[in-house]
Amino acid sequence: GAVVSQHPSRVICKSGTSVKIECRSLDFQATTMFWYRQFPKQSLMLMATSNEGSKATYEQGVEKDKFLINHASLTLSTLTVTSAHPEDSSFYICSARDSSGGKETQYFGPGTRLLVL
Amino acid sequence: GENVEQHPSTLSVQEGDSAVIKCTYSDSASNYFPWYKQELGKGPQLIIDIRSNVGEKKDQRIAVTLNKTAKHFSLHITETQPEDSAVYFCAARKGGSYIPTFGRGTSLIVHP
Repeated sequence: GAVVSQHPSRVICKSGTSVKIECRSLDFQATTMFWYRQFPKQSLMLMATSNEGSKATYEQGVEKDKFLINHASLTLSTLTVTSAHPEDSSFYICSARDSSGGKETQYFGPGTRLLVL
Repeated sequence: GENVEQHPSTLSVQEGDSAVIKCTYSDSASNYFPWYKQELGKGPQLIIDIRSNVGEKKDQRIAVTLNKTAKHFSLHITETQPEDSAVYFCAARKGGSYIPTFGRGTSLIVHP
């Protein structure tokens, strides 16, 4: 299947700092990428939908000024957690939509573990 | 909106046994049903999917069945192995949308 990478795989930061997470589709172009958050032993919670060249669409309850999303190219989307606090500690997972050949499949990245001290 | 229920939340089997995970969905407009396997500390990986124009799909030891009338679909894993141990998520997606709704996940434990 298609490959989606995330960087970094894990990050520890101090409270009040900002952290940037990159999501790349390695072998296909993704006009749409998604950002999810996952708490331990829970399902995936969609945070926002990122469309290349336009503003992201945020789910209800997700602060767009805190979770900045940029989708500058067809293979790269970034999520920046601004002024991070301990409650932002979580597993962040991106996914990319592969619509080539009309198949409409979603592939996930390996996730980024964020720990805010 | 769509609601996906997944059962059981935990499933424990002996190596070699079969495992079945069941999901129901609420929106009859859903027409795409992927299954993801998530190992500890990793992102979900697509393992099999089925579209509403077929009733069953098989890939080696895994198979998925779909009953559109009853609005439920199931994942079947035969001859389970310890490396099948993971959390499995079902999802349903409506036609015209590319955002799936996920179930709450099933933790599968295969005992050697």
